[in-house]
Amino acid sequence: KAGVTQTPRYLIKTRGQQVTLSCSPISGHRSVSWYQQTPGQGLQFLFEYFSETQRNKGNFPGRFSGRQFSNSRSEMNVSTLELGDSALYLCASSFSGSYQETQYFGPGTRLLVL
Amino acid sequence: GENVEQHPSTLSVQEGDSAVIKCTYSDSASNYFPWYKQELGKRPQLIIDIRSNVGEKKDQRIAVTLNKTAKHFSLHITETQPEDSAVYFCAAPRPPYSGNTPLVFGKGTRLSVIA
Repeated sequence: KAGVTQTPRYLIKTRGQQVTLSCSPISGHRSVSWYQQTPGQGLQFLFEYFSETQRNKGNFPGRFSGRQFSNSRSEMNVSTLELGDSALYLCASSFSGSYQETQYFGPGTRLLVL
Repeated sequence: GENVEQHPSTLSVQEGDSAVIKCTYSDSASNYFPWYKQELGKRPQLIIDIRSNVGEKKDQRIAVTLNKTAKHFSLHITETQPEDSAVYFCAAPRPPYSGNTPLVFGKGTRLSVIA
């Protein structure tokens, strides 16, 4: 099976702009989670989608949003970008989203906000 | 909510020596503890996990131990090799423990194995 893919791999934006990141899960996986990875904070949970519904949300401002399509592909959007949003954004997929399942991560999208 | 503390943040060992990374968690009801390894420029991958009904689990040179009383779990890597150099993350589920509750990750330990 093909692994989790993310596009684009790199992005450079300026403050105030918005950005959309895409994640395609492993075929058959219906749960997609998003994480923000920064050097000082590790992996921080953004949100999780299952069957087009957001089931869980982390402690991030409303500028961070997401959605999931019927084919389980997911997008996340960040509006009004701030310098502090510069990070590696990782998505991970699993079959049902159970916390006891292995999460399969994508390669990430590295976002730089100038 | 769950709080996962991971120590040390960086660790350097000589090739062939052992490495130990420790994580503490706050919620005594936590029952699942995975470890992920992220090599430089690569994606995180699960390397081992442990459930609260066992105290230790081994997989070749890697082992994880769990102390439920003290609320900590540790990753042990024996006979370290240069390819063990990576960032290691521990995690625990965030309460309440519904089936799809997300994981809370520690901030990571950067392990360097010196040849």
